[in-house]
Amino acid sequence: GQSLEQPSEVTAVEGAIVQINCTYQTSGFYGLSWYQQHDGGAPTFLSYNALDGLEETGRFSSFLSRSDSYGYLLLQELQMKDSASYFCAIRGGLTGGGNKLTFGTGTQLKVEL
Amino acid sequence: NAGVTQTPKFQVLKTGQSMTLQCAQDMNHNSMYWYRQDPGMGLRLIYYSASEGTTDKGEVPNGYNVSRLNKREFSLRLESAAPSQTSVYFCASSDSALAGTKGDTQYFGPGTRLTVL
Repeated sequence: GQSLEQPSEVTAVEGAIVQINCTYQTSGFYGLSWYQQHDGGAPTFLSYNALDGLEETGRFSSFLSRSDSYGYLLLQELQMKDSASYFCAIRGGLTGGGNKLTFGTGTQLKVEL
Repeated sequence: NAGVTQTPKFQVLKTGQSMTLQCAQDMNHNSMYWYRQDPGMGLRLIYYSASEGTTDKGEVPNGYNVSRLNKREFSLRLESAAPSQTSVYFCASSDSALAGTKGDTQYFGPGTRLTVL
């Protein structure tokens, strides 16, 4: 099976940089995704790493290290609107999980003034 | 483009009642998914349909059935609702041809908030 662990809660101040970590156990996967979900809303896609290394999309960056079974989402220049839950997710590969996406339990980010 | 739509938005059922949650997408995606989300937890996959005509069980399929009516529509049925099925249900779709690439994105509907008394 597949499992993903994230910290349950992270707090940071507006304008700061915050890193949300994700460690996983899986027998094989295509890549690591990140989704954002505001209270009462639907998850929306943020970033995807198919290969090891850093992917940058505006203020958000995501990193993957397959050898360390680890990834993270980096949010820069934090804004109040970034207060939300963030989920990492693994797309199953040929050897595990099929075409399914398995989500972590999520990290609630609180941005304070 | 409406994206992914779900009906109803809210529903209250009594134990033992049945109902069907509807989902439709207008993005011509091959794959569709049903998830449930409980407080403080991530999304857990109930069933998915990799392509029209196929369905497969996810992590928590017990108590549910699905129908991939056509490429656009994927419904979730609760035959005999139980309080443990109180949850928020999300439908999603993706372009399976892009699986494993940078375009590997699931698009989610707004959710159905279901309470079973």
